[in-house]
Amino acid sequence: AQKVTQAQTEISVVEKEDVTLDCVYETRDTTYYLFWYKQPPSGELVFLIRRNSFDEQNEISGRYSWNFQKSTSSFNFTITASQVVDSAVYFCALSDNAGKSTFGDGTTLTVKP
Amino acid sequence: DTAVSQTPKYLVTQMGNDKSIKCEQNLGHDTMYWYKQDSKKFLKIMFSYNNKELIINETVPNRFSPKSPDKAHLNLHINSLELGDSAVYFCASSTRDRGQMVFFGAGTRLSVL
Repeated sequence: AQKVTQAQTEISVVEKEDVTLDCVYETRDTTYYLFWYKQPPSGELVFLIRRNSFDEQNEISGRYSWNFQKSTSSFNFTITASQVVDSAVYFCALSDNAGKSTFGDGTTLTVKP
Repeated sequence: DTAVSQTPKYLVTQMGNDKSIKCEQNLGHDTMYWYKQDSKKFLKIMFSYNNKELIINETVPNRFSPKSPDKAHLNLHINSLELGDSAVYFCASSTRDRGQMVFFGAGTRLSVL
């Protein structure tokens, strides 16, 4: 069975602080995919990144970076120099080859001015 | 053009009624999903169809019946609505070629009174 744990339910930071959102996953599959999604207050789900299980390269996209470590089954997400617009619920998700996705419970990030 | 569109955006109805939510994707994807997001923001997969065939059917009451007339459409029909069905329902689609990257619709907020 697949499981995704986002231990941080809520995080509050002040603008310009760096913040890391943790994600730990469990799966018995050797091929799987990891995702991060952002859900702003408007409610839509916005895709941020996808990683497959064979690609442990970390990625940076602007102020966003992701650290994938198979050894610890973690796929953490860091926002550098946070902004108020980063305030949202962030979901980590794990998908198997059949397309079944399991989502973490989400981390609500509040960035205060 | 919206990639995954679902209608209606809001649905308010009385207990006991039957209602449908429609979903269409114009991405040429072969797999479509329905997810439910409850009031605590937890996201759970309900159904998945691949090329009009049901491949994932989570533990969902049989009052919920998905219908896929073709691979671009996946509608959700709900019979005898109950208060606990109130949630946001997201339609989504993906294709294997893109490593299971999932595109979500904007969501349908269902309120059962």
